[in-house]
Amino acid sequence: QSALTQPPSASGSPGQSVTISCTGTSSDVGGYNSVSWYQQHPGTAPKLLISEVSKRPSGVPDRFSGSKSGNTASLTVSGLQAEDEADYYCSSYAGSNVLYVFGTGTKVTVL
Amino acid sequence: EEQLVESGGGLVQPGGSLRLSCAASGFTFRSYSMYWVRQAPGKGLEWVSAMSETSIYIFYADSVRGRFTISRDNAKNSLYLHMNSLRAEDTAVYYCARAVPRSYALDDWGQGTTVTVSS
Repeated sequence: QSALTQPPSASGSPGQSVTISCTGTSSDVGGYNSVSWYQQHPGTAPKLLISEVSKRPSGVPDRFSGSKSGNTASLTVSGLQAEDEADYYCSSYAGSNVLYVFGTGTKVTVL
Repeated sequence: EEQLVESGGGLVQPGGSLRLSCAASGFTFRSYSMYWVRQAPGKGLEWVSAMSETSIYIFYADSVRGRFTISRDNAKNSLYLHMNSLRAEDTAVYYCARAVPRSYALDDWGQGTTVTVSS
């Protein structure tokens, strides 16, 4: 059960865009449209941002968008705001034996 | 208001046992698959276990299989995690989370309960 690979950090200035990658294999990210993205501020529980690769739950700003190509999923945060500074995690369904796997996490800094 | 509240965490010696509880309110608990996710200090999220709505399907991460047992009581709107043979590496904040129906996205999370395994 290897974690999905994310870059440790990403940054951007207010108003800019930042894209975070999430690389897995054909057994998880590439095999299913079940990639989710979560935002976690320090000391708080994760919050769902994106489900099923690109679906935004109600209440999540449209500045957050998701996509997938092959074994790599991506989260793009457009129009960066100070409150976007947080840790971001991807996750994916990984089959009935493994079921679920998270990414390694990316810390986003707003410069 | 939909809410998940974990309890039962604490300090336990290596080899000891602990039972975590997650009390759900504000939604129809029996209609949702439920998950346990943990986060070691300063580390990332790790999926631990999951259980389907009627307890038919149960899944465990390799790291806890054989030591942890997930269960639920739909009449009490509660999810549980029985943890045995605890190790130092089980030290973490444990979150319960609700899965979006027919999805593997976790759309509602508790505030977490801290488990510390140390002598």
